[in-house]
Amino acid sequence: EVQLVESGRGLIKPGGSLRLSCAASGFIFSSAWMSWVRQAPGKGLEWIGRIKSKTDGGTTDYAAPVKGRFTISKDDSKNILYLQMNNLKIEDSAVYFCTTEGRPRYAPCHDNWGQGTLVTVSS
Amino acid sequence: DIQMTQSPSSLSASVGDRVTITCRASQSISFYLNWYQQKPGKAPKLLIFAASSLQSGVPSRFSGGGSGTDFTLTISSLLPEDFATYYCQQSYSTPRTFGQGTKLEIK
Repeated sequence: EVQLVESGRGLIKPGGSLRLSCAASGFIFSSAWMSWVRQAPGKGLEWIGRIKSKTDGGTTDYAAPVKGRFTISKDDSKNILYLQMNNLKIEDSAVYFCTTEGRPRYAPCHDNWGQGTLVTVSS
Repeated sequence: DIQMTQSPSSLSASVGDRVTITCRASQSISFYLNWYQQKPGKAPKLLIFAASSLQSGVPSRFSGGGSGTDFTLTISSLLPEDFATYYCQQSYSTPRTFGQGTKLEIK
């Protein structure tokens, strides 16, 4: 059974930094493409970014609002996905979900989701 | 970026009704369209991928259709557990944008 467990929730001041982790199990993590999606309180879903598997280049893509501030990385030896968030803004307050990107080569989709972790940016 | 627009934004229906939600992309995305269901306080759940393929374990009363720019999610006969918010998402290109959501409420 696929399990994704996020951690690192917190209350952070604007301009601060926070690193989220997502512990993965139940699948071959090193082969997986992984993504982060967030949801501000009472709002819809927003794709943040994705990292490909090392076999497929290990490259990352980001949404414009976070590009240059957020960094996604994978530790395949520990089966952990990370989201490093720097220069946080109030509008980054949200529940952050890690997801697997299933069928990445022919029908990409978020087929497994973690439970989410809350990040609050406030002075 | 590709914009995704869902309609309606909210919908009231009764148990047993057939409902259809529409999603329109700002440019052609072929069949690269996914549908998710989200219940309050829970993570989203994948229902349909590649426009019309049912994710494993999802009941057959859910179906998806369309290609290019116009897509539909249909629930053939609503059950109480289907009242939730539904999102479409394009996976044709990055950034992978979502629709704004359709909240399905009990009439």
